[in-house]
Amino acid sequence: QKEVEQDPGPLSVPEGAIVSLNCTYSNSAFQYFMWYRQYSRKGPELLMYTYSSGNKEDGRFTAQVDKSSKYISLFIRDSQPSDSATYLCAMSGNNRLAFGKGNQVVVIP
Amino acid sequence: DAGVIQSPRHEVTEMGQEVTLRCKPISGHNSLFWYRQTMMRGLELLIYFNNNVPIDDSGMPEDRFSAKMPNASFSTLKIQPSEPRDSAVYFCASSWTGGETNEKLFFGSGTQLSVL
Repeated sequence: QKEVEQDPGPLSVPEGAIVSLNCTYSNSAFQYFMWYRQYSRKGPELLMYTYSSGNKEDGRFTAQVDKSSKYISLFIRDSQPSDSATYLCAMSGNNRLAFGKGNQVVVIP
Repeated sequence: DAGVIQSPRHEVTEMGQEVTLRCKPISGHNSLFWYRQTMMRGLELLIYFNNNVPIDDSGMPEDRFSAKMPNASFSTLKIQPSEPRDSAVYFCASSWTGGETNEKLFFGSGTQLSVL
């Protein structure tokens, strides 16, 4: 089993829809959970950062962590064409940082 | 702050040639990472420096790859000799590590390497 699993399948949604992305992981030492956003021909940029289980909101973005299930999610409400990007989950703990492969999201106007 | 600066942005070279990628981390950051990104394998960590010292180079593919960090404001990743399978986007990232784990990485815009 890979340390971090993220289904890389592209996702196309109409503008205004809710985007739902998720990752699973196998390493129980992971304590910090991040989502990075990567625009085309750019480097990843940190979008959300959480530590504990539960939800964290930042504007239209909600990050959800369920440590018992080793499952994290990112929700984007009222999606905009400017949200079109690749979203990578990342997690760290015990001096280990691992990234998912990324989900390409396209928001269609 | 200018962020992490990488050069060149694009590099096209022929198989067998030496390639040198450069990185200037964010001032004040004490950790520097080199990653390689491909569609097939995603983002792979090549090497990680802390306070200019290589801590983990287990991701370096083979002896053709080498990385240096002579000071806190500069790092290079060298491939010699280059091969077509090295074609990828290479990212440099930096962070401040005050505790035991790095989480908040700041990435450069990457170098798109094509080896013909």
